[in-house]
Amino acid sequence: NAGVTQTPKFQVLKTGQSMTLQCAQDMNHEYMSWYRQDPGMGLRLIHYSVGAGITDQGEVPNGYNVSRSTTEDFPLRLLSAAPSQTSVYFCASSYSGVSGNTIYFGEGSWLTVV
Amino acid sequence: AQSVTQPDIHITVSEGASLELRCNYSYGATPYLFWYVQSPGQGLQLLLKYFSGDTLVQGIKGFEAEFKRSQSSFNLRKPSVHWSDAAEYFCAVCLGGSARQLTFGSGTQLTVLP
Repeated sequence: NAGVTQTPKFQVLKTGQSMTLQCAQDMNHEYMSWYRQDPGMGLRLIHYSVGAGITDQGEVPNGYNVSRSTTEDFPLRLLSAAPSQTSVYFCASSYSGVSGNTIYFGEGSWLTVV
Repeated sequence: AQSVTQPDIHITVSEGASLELRCNYSYGATPYLFWYVQSPGQGLQLLLKYFSGDTLVQGIKGFEAEFKRSQSSFNLRKPSVHWSDAAEYFCAVCLGGSARQLTFGSGTQLTVLP
C-alpha cells in the first residue's frame, strides 16, 4: 500500500516558469488537499477537494490551480512561479463523510524558485 | 476563525527527562485535535489524535496528550525522552463533519541533549 505519493521530491524553477506537483493516493479517499510549509508558520492549506470534480480554495490559494478528474489524483499547478512560492508542499488525503478519520500526508515536495 | 498556538518555538531537554509541549486552540466548539511529528527532510507522522471520550489520549512512541476543555489546551507529554525524539512537533485542529481542513500551529522544535 503506497499511501500518498508525491512527485517530484525536489525541484528548482526559474521565476515565471510553470510546473505541476503530482499527488496520488491508492486508499480510495474522497478528500484530498495541498498544504505549503514555511519556516515558523506551520502548514497552510492551499486548495482542497471533497471528491472528483469538486475543488475549493484554502487559506493561501493565489498562484496555484488544482483539478480533480479522478479520485486518485490531485495535481497542484504553479502557473507562473515566484520566489515567494519557494516552500515545501505536502499533499494529504482522508475519507470524508464519517467524522474523525485520520488524515494521511505524503512525504513532501521541496520547491525552490530562483 | 479557528487558530492554534504553540507558544514554545524551541525546547531543549536532556535525554531521559520528561517533556511537555504546549498547544492551545481558539474555536467555539471542541474541534478534533492532532499532534504530528516531522523529522528533518521528512513528511508528517501522526502521533495521536483526540475526537471525543477519554481526555487522555495515548499515541505512538510513548507519547500521550491531555485535552483540557476549560483551558482550550491539548498538551503533548512524554515521561522519558529519547535522542530519537529530536524533531519538530506540530499541533493541529480540524473541523468535524465532512470538513477535513487542518489548521496547524507554527511548530515546536525539540532538541535532545545526550
